[in-house]
Amino acid sequence: AQSVSQHNHHVILSEAASLELGCNYSYGGTVNLFWYVQYPGQHLQLLLKYFSGDPLVKGIKGFEAEFIKSKFSFNLRKPSVQWSDTAEYFCAVNPNQAGTALIFGKGTTLSVSS
Amino acid sequence: DVKVTQSSRYLVKRTGEKVFLECVQDMDHENMFWYRQDPGLGLRLIYFSYDVKMKEKGDIPEGYSVSREKKERFSLILESASTNQTSMYLCASSLRQGNEQFFGPGTRLTVL
Repeated sequence: AQSVSQHNHHVILSEAASLELGCNYSYGGTVNLFWYVQYPGQHLQLLLKYFSGDPLVKGIKGFEAEFIKSKFSFNLRKPSVQWSDTAEYFCAVNPNQAGTALIFGKGTTLSVSS
Repeated sequence: DVKVTQSSRYLVKRTGEKVFLECVQDMDHENMFWYRQDPGLGLRLIYFSYDVKMKEKGDIPEGYSVSREKKERFSLILESASTNQTSMYLCASSLRQGNEQFFGPGTRLTVL
């Protein structure tokens, strides 16, 4: 079965530290890739997405992600985190097949201390 | 602005009750989804619909049913609520399959 793995369950960083959250998926065909964020008490919102083209995509709030096809990975990065980045982050993959929905990873909780 | 609304933010029901969770989107999206979100398990897909009156089972459909009579509305039904259905329920919609999904605020359901 297709799956999405987020390797870090909980990441704790100090402000200004760099962030990289791992995401790997297990589907060999063409995929659309997403990172979502859920701030405390808020609904899920899209951080960034990749459909095709430049494998380095930029999203909101200074986040970026790189699609590496050979590694089936779509890691999320931010050079310098802020306290307000404290949230839960979800990677999601959509295999480009009719009748399929997004497959979500289990999420990574990021805690940033000021 | 894109909007997905859910009928309740918090709901408390008793075991055995029939529960309706309503979701409405105002974006004329074709696809609608119901997930449940539990700590450590991420989002798990219950059902989705890619057209009016169409439905597809997701990963955990047992104990749930859905209804989509109108394009903008997607209802999740718990025929006989059980305590293991205590969870956060999220509704989402997307314009087409494969596009990004837009999420509602969620309904936190507690079954006593």
